[in-house]
Amino acid sequence: AQKITQTQPGMFVQEKEAVTLDCTYDTSDPSYGLFWYKQPSSGEMIFLIYQGSYDQQNATEGRYSLNFQKARKSANLVISASQLGDSAMYFCAMREGLAGTALIFGKGTTLSVSS
Amino acid sequence: EAQVTQNPRYLITVTGKKLTVTCSQNMNHEYMSWYRQDPGLGLRQIYYSMNVEVTDKGDVPEGYKVSRKEKRNFPLILESPSPNQTSLYFCASTRGGLTEAFFGQGTRLTVV
Repeated sequence: AQKITQTQPGMFVQEKEAVTLDCTYDTSDPSYGLFWYKQPSSGEMIFLIYQGSYDQQNATEGRYSLNFQKARKSANLVISASQLGDSAMYFCAMREGLAGTALIFGKGTTLSVSS
Repeated sequence: EAQVTQNPRYLITVTGKKLTVTCSQNMNHEYMSWYRQDPGLGLRQIYYSMNVEVTDKGDVPEGYKVSRKEKRNFPLILESPSPNQTSLYFCASTRGGLTEAFFGQGTRLTVV
């Protein structure tokens, strides 16, 4: 079974609109971290936001917030007020356990922002 | 500036010709990893290292070697590259635990 599932291969949004990118995860480890990365067309991987399994509040970083629903095992990324520069591939990833060594990635969602 | 540096950024090579992709980090991180990214598959871990002289296989280690002789460097070696190793490769480092990984700029490798 896939440990990280991103069900939206592509998403389209207009500038200034909010968009939610879905991510569900599967783990039996009580300690885990969830990460979102952005990959623009230039190829680099840019860290956006992190949520720990024990964090009580949803993480926020500027226009990015993570809608963490632990019981549903979902960690959706919300981008408020989309900008043209948000057009990119977005990856959800998980690291399991405090000594985890691997980031397990989903297959990604391509976001296209139009004017 | 905290960074992970990979070289080269782009490489075209022929089947069977040994190559090394270098990776260096300046954050004194203990953990380093190599990933490959293929369309529709996301990123998959090739090898990782928890410290100097400590390395282990990830999900797709076949055809690759690594070494960790110094904390800052973690080269990826393809002894006999094949066309199915054509991919985008990333080196990453982290201080461990549930902290974010810092990625290099990526190396786009084509094996013909």
